Amino acid sequence: DGGITQSPKYLFRKEGQNVTLSCEQNLNHDAMYWYRQDPGQGLRLIYYSQIVNDFQKGDIAEGYSVSREKKESFPLTVTSAQKNPTAFYLCASSTQGPQDTEAFFGQGTRLTVV
Amino acid sequence: GESVGLHLPTLSVQEGDNSIINCAYSNSASDYFIWYKQESGKGPQFIIDIRSNMDKRQGQRVTVLLNKTVKHLSLQIAATQPGDSAVYFCAEKWNQGGKLIFGQGTELSVKP
Repeated sequence: DGGITQSPKYLFRKEGQNVTLSCEQNLNHDAMYWYRQDPGQGLRLIYYSQIVNDFQKGDIAEGYSVSREKKESFPLTVTSAQKNPTAFYLCASSTQGPQDTEAFFGQGTRLTVV
Repeated sequence: GESVGLHLPTLSVQEGDNSIINCAYSNSASDYFIWYKQESGKGPQFIIDIRSNMDKRQGQRVTVLLNKTVKHLSLQIAATQPGDSAVYFCAEKWNQGGKLIFGQGTELSVKP
């Protein structure tokens, strides 16, 4: 089945630790995105990538890092510099082009700092 | 700065009624405006989009209206059903760089 997979579904982290969230897609999509969603809030863009080996900061990139070494994978690292990392993280992918408006989302990773 | 926001955070309608969800945007550097539906604990799903040179587009039971003069976007759902209960987000895709920006969201609750 084609799709986009995030893992793990739930993640607990101690303060001061870095943690990496996985996002894999087998849809052959060029573009991938990471969003953060807080309770009762919208999706805020962290990072996005239009092509392998290239990515751009979104609106809330501070305290996060990404890599795009393979087309299928776009892992997100939440660093200790992120002051309030507890949130629901969503990864998405889409075909590349101005007419390509449909992004496909994973099921999300709920990160909790303990 | 750019933003895509919603007027009403919650909307409650009776089953069978029509629903209208509104969205205001402030940045016009977008070629497409999009509506997504998010059910509890899941990622958003695409509903419908509209190109910036259009003012209306219809899908199955849904209609999106775009008023560029006042920078307003709306989603109309006909004959709302309990399965329509979800949070609805408007979004815009920038034609430069492909950035996809979401608004705050409106929670739609359908009463049987």
